[in-house]
Amino acid sequence: DIQMTQSPSSLSASVGDRVTITCQASQDISNYLNWYQQKPGKAPKLLIYDASNLETGVPSRFSGSGSGTDFTFTISSLQPEDIATYYCQQYDNLPTFGQGTRLEIK
Amino acid sequence: QVQLVQSGAEVKKPGASVKVSCKVSGYTLTELSMHWVRQAPGKGLEWMGGFDPEDGETIYAQKFQGRVTMTEDTSTDTAYMELSSLRSEDTAVYYCATARGSSRTFDYWGQGTLVTVSS
Repeated sequence: DIQMTQSPSSLSASVGDRVTITCQASQDISNYLNWYQQKPGKAPKLLIYDASNLETGVPSRFSGSGSGTDFTFTISSLQPEDIATYYCQQYDNLPTFGQGTRLEIK
Repeated sequence: QVQLVQSGAEVKKPGASVKVSCKVSGYTLTELSMHWVRQAPGKGLEWMGGFDPEDGETIYAQKFQGRVTMTEDTSTDTAYMELSSLRSEDTAVYYCATARGSSRTFDYWGQGTLVTVSS
C-alpha cells in the first residue's frame, strides 16, 4: 500500500492567517491526490482533486499544489467556518488517506 | 445531483455480521461506482473497497478480504456492505461514497452509519 504522511497532525491559527498542510506519498503518485474537509459529525467533503483542481462550489481561498511525492494544501485566508479536519488521499493505487490535520482557531 | 442515504445505526455482538445499505437518488446505481470508507471513533478514514468500472469488478482492501462483501440491487438503486466476524475494532462509522469516473475521487458521500460492536 502507498503510505501518505500528512503534517502537521494539528494546527492552531487565527482568522485571516494563511494555513498550509503538507502530504508526502511513499512513492511517486503523479497528481493522483485529493484533499477533503471533514467537520465534526459530518461526512468528508471533496475540496481539491488531481492535486490542484478546485471542486465546483468550493471557495477560491482553498488551493492545492504538488506532484510526484510532495503535495501542499493551502487556505489563503482562514475563515471561522474552515474549522475542520483535513485529509489527503491518493488514488494512484488502491486508495489510502493521510492521518488527517485538525485545524483550530487560535 | 447524487444523494446517498444510508441505513440507521446498528449494535452487534462480537462474531456477528452487519449489513449497511446506501440508497441512491438523482442517478441510477449503474451510472455510479460505489465505494465504502470507514472511520473508527476519533480516527482517520480507511478505504474498504468499491467497484472498479475498468474491470467491472468489486475490489476490496486486503485488510478486509474474506470478511467484507459489497453488493448492489439495481432494481432499487441500493448498495450494500456486509461485514462479518465482527470484533470490537470494527466499531466505526461506515460511509458509502461515489467515485468519479474511473478515478477513485470520492465526490458524493452518504451521511454515515455507526456500527457498534459490543458484548
